[in-house]
Amino acid sequence: GQNIDQPTEMTATEGAIVQINCTYQTSGFNGLFWYQQHAGEAPTFLSYNVLDGLEEKGRFSSFLSRSKGYSYLLLKELQMKDSASYLCAVMDSNYQLIWGAGTKLIIKP
Amino acid sequence: ETGVTQTPRHLVMGMTNKKSLKCEQHLGHNAMYWYKQSAKKPLELMFVYSLEERVENNSVPSRFSPECPNSSHLFLHLHTLQPEDSALYLCASSQDDPSIRGTDTQYFGPGTRLTVL
Repeated sequence: GQNIDQPTEMTATEGAIVQINCTYQTSGFNGLFWYQQHAGEAPTFLSYNVLDGLEEKGRFSSFLSRSKGYSYLLLKELQMKDSASYLCAVMDSNYQLIWGAGTKLIIKP
Repeated sequence: ETGVTQTPRHLVMGMTNKKSLKCEQHLGHNAMYWYKQSAKKPLELMFVYSLEERVENNSVPSRFSPECPNSSHLFLHLHTLQPEDSALYLCASSQDDPSIRGTDTQYFGPGTRLTVL
């Protein structure tokens, strides 16, 4: 079966750095997405990786290793507004998005 | 991203009621999606429409009935639901069905929080 694993919950301190990991086992691979979802709101697109390596976008970076079936989202200089759930999703060979259950990130002052 | 709107935002219904969820996208996209999001579970894809034609139906019970009258609007008609259908229902859109362009970013609406009593 297809599976996306990510931690259920993480806690970090304002101003610090946090890394949210995602491992996947899917039928084929056509890219990996990260979304942010604040409570009661729409998931919003953060990043897309299809080739190995690190993609940096401001305070957020996303890394992909296809050979290891592994990605992480790195958040720097954490702010209170970064408290949210972070969803990892992989597009499989049928171009269907397979979603993880999300990681709830709690930022403490 | 405010290009996808959903109404109502909250809905409480009994098991014998009939109601509809509405989604509208203002992004000029050709593909639209319905997802179910339950607490601490992955998003479940329910339906996919591309150019107003249904292209995916992930074994969803018939008590959920989608309708796509044009590329900007998507409805989910609900009837004789069960308490386990209580969840957040999310609508999303993308420029095209990803099988056409290789991949495509999906943009989500804020969802309808559905409670079935």
